[in-house]
Amino acid sequence: NAGVMQNPRHLVRRRGQEARLRCSPMKGHSHVYWYRQLPEEGLKFMVYLQKENIIDESGMPKERFSAEFPKEGPSILRIQQVVRGDSAAYFCASSPGTGGVSAFFGQGTRLTVV
Amino acid sequence: SQQGEEDPQALSIQEGENATMNCSYKTSINNLQWYRQNSGRGLVHLILIRSNEREKHSGRLRVTLDTSKKSSSLLITASRAADTASYFCATDLNSGNTPLVFGKGTRLSVIA
Repeated sequence: NAGVMQNPRHLVRRRGQEARLRCSPMKGHSHVYWYRQLPEEGLKFMVYLQKENIIDESGMPKERFSAEFPKEGPSILRIQQVVRGDSAAYFCASSPGTGGVSAFFGQGTRLTVV
Repeated sequence: SQQGEEDPQALSIQEGENATMNCSYKTSINNLQWYRQNSGRGLVHLILIRSNEREKHSGRLRVTLDTSKKSSSLLITASRAADTASYFCATDLNSGNTPLVFGKGTRLSVIA
């Protein structure tokens, strides 16, 4: 049973380009969470999705950021027109959907905007 | 706002010593979890303690939870150089699948 898979591990984008980050949850997990981590900081919640539904996007910037978790395929975090301040590590976690169970994290995607 | 706050922010100890990290939080929780993050890597789940539990052990790890003080501690006994990492506490505010809320972490350095 593979863990949470994120790709790419490292992504370099020029200012103004689009960044697409992918997350495949653990087998059997239907809940996906995205977090952002700035250097020397903890993880900040961005968005919580179930299959085809956004449950909580209270941590998502209002502009340029979007997320989806389609019926088939990985969850995608999309950042349009990236700026230098978007440079961070983006982590995805998944859980099976029963409360009180620990979430499992991927290795993260490190986005660098140049 | 940050729910969890780890203390100290950084800790440096000699191999073989015990390391204690503390976490305080602000609101009622369903459970509290500790994670480890090696530099440049993802998070590894260490231990989960539920709000009705007071202490839990896993190998060299001992976690306590005091809901009256809204605080938790993580003790690593007989530390090793490989324990060098950042340690985060994360709180689960409600039953169900609410997102975990993380503190800023404690950076532990174990010197051989």
